[in-house]
Amino acid sequence: DGGITQSPKYLFRKEGQNVTLSCEQNLNHDAMYWYRQDPGQGLRLIYYSQIVNDFQKGDIAEGYSVSREKKESFPLTVTSAQKNPTAFYLCASSIVGPGNTIYFGEGSWLTVV
Amino acid sequence: GDSVTQMEGPVTLSEEAFLTINCTYTATGYPSLFWYVQYPGEGLQLLLKATKADDKGSNKGFEATYRKETTSFHLEKGSVQVSDSAVYFCALGSGSQGNLIFGKGTKLSVKP
Repeated sequence: DGGITQSPKYLFRKEGQNVTLSCEQNLNHDAMYWYRQDPGQGLRLIYYSQIVNDFQKGDIAEGYSVSREKKESFPLTVTSAQKNPTAFYLCASSIVGPGNTIYFGEGSWLTVV
Repeated sequence: GDSVTQMEGPVTLSEEAFLTINCTYTATGYPSLFWYVQYPGEGLQLLLKATKADDKGSNKGFEATYRKETTSFHLEKGSVQVSDSAVYFCALGSGSQGNLIFGKGTKLSVKP
């Protein structure tokens, strides 16, 4: 089945550690996105990419990094510089261009312990 | 910049009640408008969309009409079910890159 796979579903990080969230899609979409969801704040864009080897910062990119070496994959690294990383992270993809539907993965819960 | 404002919840209804969740937007140009639904512990699923003024999106008994004159895209359902309990997000497509701008979400609880 076509879709977006995020892993792991749950992740615990010690303070000072970097962690990487995986996102893979087989929808043949050129555009991919990472959003962060906090209770009562909706979704906020971290990074997005419209083509392999290129990506742009979203509204809250500080403390995060991404790579786009393959069309199917868009991993997100939460670095130790991110001051409050505990959140629900959502990966998404779409056809490039305005007005197209964005499709979401099931999300990854990150908790700092 | 572009923004979306939706009514704050939580909203609690009895089964078979009528549902309205208000959504208004601010945007330059003519963005596409979306409603997404999120069930507990899951990602977001597209519920419906509209791409131009006066378009009506509909799915699973839910409807929303793109009203340019009032910059609104209110979500309605005539008779809600317990299975409709979820968080609903209004969103607009912003700019040429296709990113979505989301409202803060409205949690709906439907009681039997």
